[in-house]
Amino acid sequence: GQQVMQIPQYQHVQEGEDFTTYCNSSTTLSNIQWYKQRPGGHPVFLIQLVKSGEVKKQKRLTFQFGEAKKNSSLHITATQTTDVGTYFCASDFNAGGTSYGKLTFGQGTILTVHP
Amino acid sequence: DAGITQSPRYKITETGRQVTLMCHQTWSHSYMFWYRQDLGHGLRLIYYSAAADITDKGEVPDGYVVSRSKTENFPLTLESATRSQTSVYFCASSHRPGQGAYEQYFGPGTRLTVT
Repeated sequence: GQQVMQIPQYQHVQEGEDFTTYCNSSTTLSNIQWYKQRPGGHPVFLIQLVKSGEVKKQKRLTFQFGEAKKNSSLHITATQTTDVGTYFCASDFNAGGTSYGKLTFGQGTILTVHP
Repeated sequence: DAGITQSPRYKITETGRQVTLMCHQTWSHSYMFWYRQDLGHGLRLIYYSAAADITDKGEVPDGYVVSRSKTENFPLTLESATRSQTSVYFCASSHRPGQGAYEQYFGPGTRLTVT
């Protein structure tokens, strides 16, 4: 089946350092979504990217969608302890009909931040 | 504003028992989803539903049954629970695609242990 590969699986940083997680697909993606899950919590939607080369920012978070629409990244500048959690990318692989909106999630990157 | 709720939040059951996990959303979202989350596997889709009385299998449907007689409810039944079904189960809902960004809203999760 179609997969979204996400790396790294784990990332440990000191508070104030930057962090990046990457998602890659062998097939073109119609869109990519990013979610954050705090420890013990549930996934929460962060953003959706649709256009080739799209870049969106949310405060210290920068999201990019590759020109070929096969990869995406999430970059956090100057991490804080509140950034701790698991970050997931997800896509519906341009599925049509009633499969539209059916997301395949990457494995997630677990971020820990040492104060 | 209740949003999306799941019950029970925690459940311990024995192998071979039938278990039903409940999911209820108050937004009248067309789409609803069931995921399981296990270490090392991220979020895997079990079943999803595009509307009342329309359901379809996801990535890991074996051993599970769903129904959706009403838009707001999407129960998940484990017909004969096995230890391999010990997991955290998340229900999610989303708008029908075409109604803007169709991000998924997740419930708080049900932690199921099968002994």
